[in-house]
Formats: sequence, C-alpha cells, structure tokens
Amino acid sequence: DAGVIQSPRHEVTEMGQEVTLRCKPISGHNSLFWYRQTMMRGLELLIYFNNNVPIDDSGMPEDRFSAKMPNASFSTLKIQPSEPRDSAVYFCASSSSDGGRETQYFGPGTRLLVL
Amino acid sequence: GQNIDQPTEMTATEGAIVQINCTYQTSGFNGLFWYQQHAGEAPTFLSYNVLDGLEEKGRFSSFLSRSKGYSYLLLKELQMKDSASYLCAVRDNAGNMLTFGGGTRLMVKP
Repeated sequence: DAGVIQSPRHEVTEMGQEVTLRCKPISGHNSLFWYRQTMMRGLELLIYFNNNVPIDDSGMPEDRFSAKMPNASFSTLKIQPSEPRDSAVYFCASSSSDGGRETQYFGPGTRLLVL
Repeated sequence: GQNIDQPTEMTATEGAIVQINCTYQTSGFNGLFWYQQHAGEAPTFLSYNVLDGLEEKGRFSSFLSRSKGYSYLLLKELQMKDSASYLCAVRDNAGNMLTFGGGTRLMVKP
C-alpha cells in the first residue's frame, strides 16, 4: 500500500495567493483528517470527513480556509487568500471508521511557507 | 473541553529507561494513542490503550489508568534513533477524532 499521499510536499507562495493542498487517503479508509502543525500550537485538527461528508470543521481557523472531498480517494484543502501566519506543516491522515485499535495513518505532510 | 498535558522536553542517556507521562481531561474517552514523530517527518503510530493496564510491544510499553486520566509511555534500552517527539492523543467518543497533546521532545545522549 502506498500510504496516504499528499502533494505538493513543499509550497512557497506570496501573501494573498491561493494555495491548494491535495490528499489521497489509503484505499478502503472512509475517514479523512486535515491537521496543521506549528511549533507554537502543536498538531491541530482542522476538519474531519467521514464517507466524504464533513463531520467536524470547528478547527478551521477562518473563512479563508475551505476543504472538500469530492470522492473517497481525493480531498483538497484550500487557503484563499494566504497569509504569513498560515505557514505550517499540513498533514492529511486517514483511518477506517471501525474504531477500536484502528489508528490514523498520516501522510508525509505539505510544508507551506507564505512570504 | 479537551485538555491533554505532557512534558515539553526530556533528556535521557543511551541504554537507559525513560517514562513519558500524559494526563488528560476530556469530555469522553474511547482510547488513548501514542505516536512517534521524528523531526521533519509525519507522526507514526506506536501504541493504543483502551483498558487499564500495561501494553507491551518490544522496547516500548504504554500504561493507562482511566480513573486517573493518566498514561505513560515507557521506552527501554534507549537508542539514539529514539530521539524524537512523542505525542499522546485521546479519542473522546465513538468516532475517530483524536485530540493531541503538545508532544514531548526526547533527546537521547550518548
């Protein structure tokens, strides 16, 4: 299994530009999570999808952030317009929704720098 | 609300044993996870506890006391490659959402 795939791995952009991050979850997993990690705030959950439906988006910082999951194998996180304080590592993770011992598997992350 | 506390940093010597503590106060509880994260990499799963007691997996063990809202990760025979951050995470209901602690950065010295 290829694991969770994220693209791009690195993104450098200028303030005000639109940024789109992409994620392909592990095949067969029906839960998908977007996280943001910074030194100051640690690992924060932004949004959580189950069976392609957003379940909890309370962690999305503001209206500049939006996420979609058009099908079971693809999700996007968009920031428009981007600001320097959005600079962070963005992780996508997936899991099955069977609970129990089933854990979340993280992608390699996208390192975003907004200048 | 959710509150998960771990020490920010710890230092230990190669070959020694180290215990990383985690305390939590959550609105519900449905399992506690430990993840390891090397610098510049993604978190990877280490252990899972849902019942009280000790779960052992090689050099790593994890303990849970639900009544005390407390867990620890025990690393034995420390190796230099164990230098990493260790994240405690609680699943607080029957769903799959995890709330993460701030992580403990462990430095293993020769």
